[in-house]
Amino acid sequence: SYEVTQPPSVSVYPGQTARITCSVDAQPKQYVYWYQQKPGQAPVLVIYKDTERPSGIPERFSGSSSGTTVTLIISGVQAEDEADYYCQSADSLATYVKFGGGTKLTVL
Amino acid sequence: QVQLQESGPGLVKPSQTLSLTCTVSGASIRSGGYYWSWIRQHPGKGLEWIGFMFYVGATYYNPSLKSRVTISVDTSRNQFSLKMSSVTAADTAMYYCARFTIATRPPYYFDYWGQGTLVTVSS
Repeated sequence: SYEVTQPPSVSVYPGQTARITCSVDAQPKQYVYWYQQKPGQAPVLVIYKDTERPSGIPERFSGSSSGTTVTLIISGVQAEDEADYYCQSADSLATYVKFGGGTKLTVL
Repeated sequence: QVQLQESGPGLVKPSQTLSLTCTVSGASIRSGGYYWSWIRQHPGKGLEWIGFMFYVGATYYNPSLKSRVTISVDTSRNQFSLKMSSVTAADTAMYYCARFTIATRPPYYFDYWGQGTLVTVSS
């Protein structure tokens, strides 16, 4: 198994850029996937393969990758983006999945 | 539109077996390229992958739960199930079923989720 690490919380003002990091200690590094979860709802995929955005997800959501750290970037944060964000990785053969501990994004 | 819906008892006694079913609509469990999955979330905590299976055999579990968990598929009903034995209060959680895509190996992610069902372990 391996560890997937996220900061527990990030706070930004509306209109600012939020950056949430995810560190995966697996070698070789595998892709990271990001989910948004609002209270009482199931998670929703917002970024896949580190930087790809699914259809229907606003353009303000993007991702970047550097070494073993992947970053979810939310540009021009809106109040509706306040949620928990989870990163997820899987081994190369899709036999094991690991979620990060989650990051609570607070819009001040 | 793919939809998943969990069902099962909301209350289970300690030491008993938790049994949940996920009914899939809008897609066939027999379609290749997907694993059918269970994930749980303890109250106020993060997501924990329990395990998943392909409709013909291959099954993978979280090592921390493997000794107590069985996932099975009923293709005739387009359903899949979770059984977790010897439950304790620590198994109280929201349980989600989800579809995990593996079609192009990678990406590997959960693309559709059920709404979740809360299971409480208590006497």
